[in-house]
Order: sequence, then C-alpha cells, then structure tokens
Amino acid sequence: AQKITQTQPGMFVQEKEAVTLDCTYDTSDQSYGLFWYKQPSSGEMIFLIYQGSYDEQNATEGRYSLNFQKARKSANLVISASQLGDSAMYFCAMSNTNAGKSTFGDGTTLTVKP
Amino acid sequence: DTAVSQTPKYLVTQMGNDKSIKCEQNLGHDTMYWYKQDSKKFLKIMFSYNNKELIINETVPNRFSPKSPDKAHLNLHINSLELGDSAVYFCASTSGVKLFFGSGTQLSVL
Repeated sequence: AQKITQTQPGMFVQEKEAVTLDCTYDTSDQSYGLFWYKQPSSGEMIFLIYQGSYDEQNATEGRYSLNFQKARKSANLVISASQLGDSAMYFCAMSNTNAGKSTFGDGTTLTVKP
Repeated sequence: DTAVSQTPKYLVTQMGNDKSIKCEQNLGHDTMYWYKQDSKKFLKIMFSYNNKELIINETVPNRFSPKSPDKAHLNLHINSLELGDSAVYFCASTSGVKLFFGSGTQLSVL
C-alpha cells in the first residue's frame, strides 16, 4: 500500500521569498512517480511537477523544484520567489504503474503575504 | 480549448434522487478517471477506465455507476443520492504520467 504524508496543514510565506512544502511517502514498489498539484480557491487541480523514482536529478519546472531524497522517502516542493497567486492548497501524490491510481496527501494550504 | 471538461459545475439535489455527471476529454488520452474530494479536501480515486474498459474500481457503493461510451467520455451516474455523497467530483485523464483534471463538479445533496 502507498501512503503520502504532508505534515504541514498550513504555511505562510512572505512574497518574493522561497518556501518548502514537505512530503514524505511510503511504498514497497521499486518504480513509482511523485507529483505535486496546486488547487487554488477556484477549485481546479493544476499539475505542477513530476519526479520518477529512477530519475537521478531533481525535477524543476520554472519556479518549482522537487527536492527528491529517495533514501529518506521525501519529495518536498520548493517554490522560489513566491507570488501572491501561489496562495492555494498543494497536494503531494504518488503512483506506481500509472498516474491514475494516485494516492494523495492531505494537502498543505499556502498563504503568500504581501 | 478545454482539455477535460465536466458538466455540470454545480449540482444541488434532494436525497433519493438520481443524477449524472458528464466528462469529456479532447486530449486523445486512453485512460480516464473519477476522483472524489470530500469536505476535508481528501482526494480518493473511485474508478478508472482504459479505452472504455473498467480497470480500477475502488470500494465505492454500487449506487455509483460509471459509463464510458467511447474513450473520450466517462460519465458518472449516481442512484439514490445520500447526504454523504456531497463532495466535489473530479474527472481526469492521462496518457501515462501526468493527470489532467477537469474543473470539478460540486455536488450538494440536501
């Protein structure tokens, strides 16, 4: 069974600063994928970034980077230069064979302060 | 051009009614899903279809019946609605790695 743990229900960050959202996972699979999604107050789910378990380099997508530490089973999301529009709920998720049967964490609500 | 579109966006209905939510994707993906997000924002997969065939069926009451007339459509029919069915239902599709979500249907059962 897969499990995702996000220990931060809420986080605050000052505009233009960097913030790290924590995610740890548990799985017995050797091959898996890790994802982060953003859910703004409007409700849609927006894909941010993906890391494969065999990828040696940390994934980056613009201001988003995934700090993947396989031995520690962590996949933290780093958002650099926070913007007011980054205020949203962020979900960490993992899947084994395909993206569909993804297990989601409970989410972290990020608030960016001006 | 909306990639994954679901209708309606809001659905308010009485207990005991039957309702449907429709989903269509124009991405050419073979696999489509229904997810449920409850009031605490927990997201759980309900069903998955690959090219019109059911491949994932999580522990969901049989009042919920998905139907996929073709690989671009996956509809969700719910019979005898209960208060606990109130949630946001997301349709999603994928070609392999990334899930593309619809904008969600907020179902309120009164």
